[in-house]
This record gives sequence, C-alpha cells and structure tokens, in this order.
Amino acid sequence: EPEVTQTPSHQVTQMGQEVILRCVPISNHLYFYWYRQILGQKVEFLVSFYNNEISEKSEIFDDQFSVERPDGSNFTLKIRSTKLEDSAMYFCASSDSGGRFEQYFGPGTRLTVT
Amino acid sequence: AQSVTQLGSHVSVSEGALVLLRCNYSSSVPPYLFWYVQYPNQGLQLLLKYTSAATLVKGINGFEAEFKKSETSFHLTKPSAHMSDAAEYFCAVSDRGTNKLVFGAGTILRVKS
Repeated sequence: EPEVTQTPSHQVTQMGQEVILRCVPISNHLYFYWYRQILGQKVEFLVSFYNNEISEKSEIFDDQFSVERPDGSNFTLKIRSTKLEDSAMYFCASSDSGGRFEQYFGPGTRLTVT
Repeated sequence: AQSVTQLGSHVSVSEGALVLLRCNYSSSVPPYLFWYVQYPNQGLQLLLKYTSAATLVKGINGFEAEFKKSETSFHLTKPSAHMSDAAEYFCAVSDRGTNKLVFGAGTILRVKS
C-alpha cells in the first residue's frame, strides 16, 4: 500500500540553525501539506501546496518557513532560523484532491531545538 | 473560524464494552468530517470520513460515526472495544472551499482487560 514517508524521524538542531524536513508524498497525489503538533497541543495546519505553489497557509507559516517541491517526488519544509518554540512533531500529508478527499499522513519528524 | 471540540481527553473502557468518543464542530455549514487514529510512534491513519453522503459512516476496524447536523456532532463509536483499539483518536474538519484540516485536541482511548 502506498504511504507517505518522512526523513529524518528525529532532528536535533541548535537555535538559529536552518533545518530542512523532507517528505515523499504518495506518487499520484497532487496536494501536499505540512502540519505540526507541539507536545501536548493540537495538530495545527501550516501550509498546503498545489501546482507548485502555496494554496493556503496559516498564521504560523511566517517568513521563517518555506516549502518546495524540488523534484517530482520530494516535498520539503525549510525553517530558516529555528527557535525553541519550533520544537514539535512535523507531519507531512498528501491527497489526490482537495477538500473532501482524505489526507494521508506520514509518520512525522520530531524536531528538537536546543 | 472553524473549531473542533473533543469532549474527554482520556476515555477508559473495558474490553468488549461500547466505545464512544465525542466530537462537535462549530461551522454553521456542514463541513467535511474525519476521524483519524494515531498509534504510538506512528502517523495519523484515517478511520472514516463524512462528505455529505450517508449520515452514518462506517470505517475501518469496526468503527462508525454518525453526522448529526442539528447537534453539530460527529461522534465515533464501536460496539465492542478490543485491546488493539488503544490509541489516540482525532476528529478533524475541513470547511468546503478550503483544503486544510482543523483538528480537535484528541482523545486517548485506554482499553482495560
């Protein structure tokens, strides 16, 4: 069964450093998403991406964040200068269409900023 | 803004007992509704979804949910709990015209033997 994969599973970085979280969505999907879950809090939407551009983003997704689909298979989330409060589990998801179609989630990358 | 409320951060049931996990949404226009399950150290797995077809939706692993517009609810049930159902369950909604999911806080289900 096709699945979304994410690497690394755990990333530790120092405050102020740049990190790139990587995701390989399901191959025929067209919509891609990033969510995050700070420990003990709700899963929060960050951004959706379709047709090589951001289709929607949340207030959390400020200038420190960027997304890219550098090739036909990868989808990345970059945090330019990490802060302590960026520590969270980051989930990538993909869907073959928007709205009522289910989003398939990867296992997540746990980001720890020290 | 759309919000989702899951009553009970922790629910404990005995094996074989009814499972009832509650979810209420805030939108006046019925959204698309989803239940996801998360097992330890794994991603979110879709259990079932409501997208304006039948109001009683059947999902995987014997779970089902009923959409009640008058109560703005989408509660998740399973007639008989199994030990393997122990996990965290998330209700999520997606407003029509948007692709983002808004999640509830999650309910951790414990199944006692």
